[in-house]
Amino acid sequence: GENVEQHPSTLSVQEGDSAVIKCTYSDSASNYFPWYKQELGKRPQLIIDIRSNVGEKKDQRIAVTLNKTAKHFSLHITETQPEDSAVYFCAASMTFNKFYFGSGTKLNVKP
Amino acid sequence: DADVTQTPRNRITKTGKRIMLECSQTKGHDRMYWYRQDPGLGLRLIYYSFDVKDINKGEISDGYSVSRQAQAKFSLSLESAIPNQTALYFCATGDNYGYTFGSGTRLTVV
Repeated sequence: GENVEQHPSTLSVQEGDSAVIKCTYSDSASNYFPWYKQELGKRPQLIIDIRSNVGEKKDQRIAVTLNKTAKHFSLHITETQPEDSAVYFCAASMTFNKFYFGSGTKLNVKP
Repeated sequence: DADVTQTPRNRITKTGKRIMLECSQTKGHDRMYWYRQDPGLGLRLIYYSFDVKDINKGEISDGYSVSRQAQAKFSLSLESAIPNQTALYFCATGDNYGYTFGSGTRLTVV
């Protein structure tokens, strides 16, 4: 099956700085890559996703990039705010039927 | 929002006991999933179901069983709980736009 690796496991940034989280996947057939944010004590929630026919997607302060050749995708958060502090998970899917998740990145935004 | 509801929210049980975690959804999705979350290990798939008659093992199904009682209900059972099954368990439903997770069940096996 698919194997998704995520780095770093923890990330600490100063408020206003940018944060980048990277994921790699193993199966070139994967074609859908969502990102989930999990705030402390809460459920993971979808924040942005990208499909394999697109190289980049933006939504306000967050963006995701995809490099199909290298089989990696990244989450970029600009102008970080304390409320961005959370655990972020990347995932990969071939058919939308089953998602393979990375191990998570704990982002801490220091005021 | 209560579109995917898990019960109980927290549970402490003893080693060797049978326990059932329940999940119900109002999303109308056919696909339902059970994941386990452990620190540093992300979300690992236990079982999944694409309709009432379809049940599939995930990455870590040993020691677990499931029942899909209806399109809206998907239960996870631990037949004989052991301490290394202490974890946060999430139910999720899915469609072609991603997953909706429940609020989770924190299970502690002592």
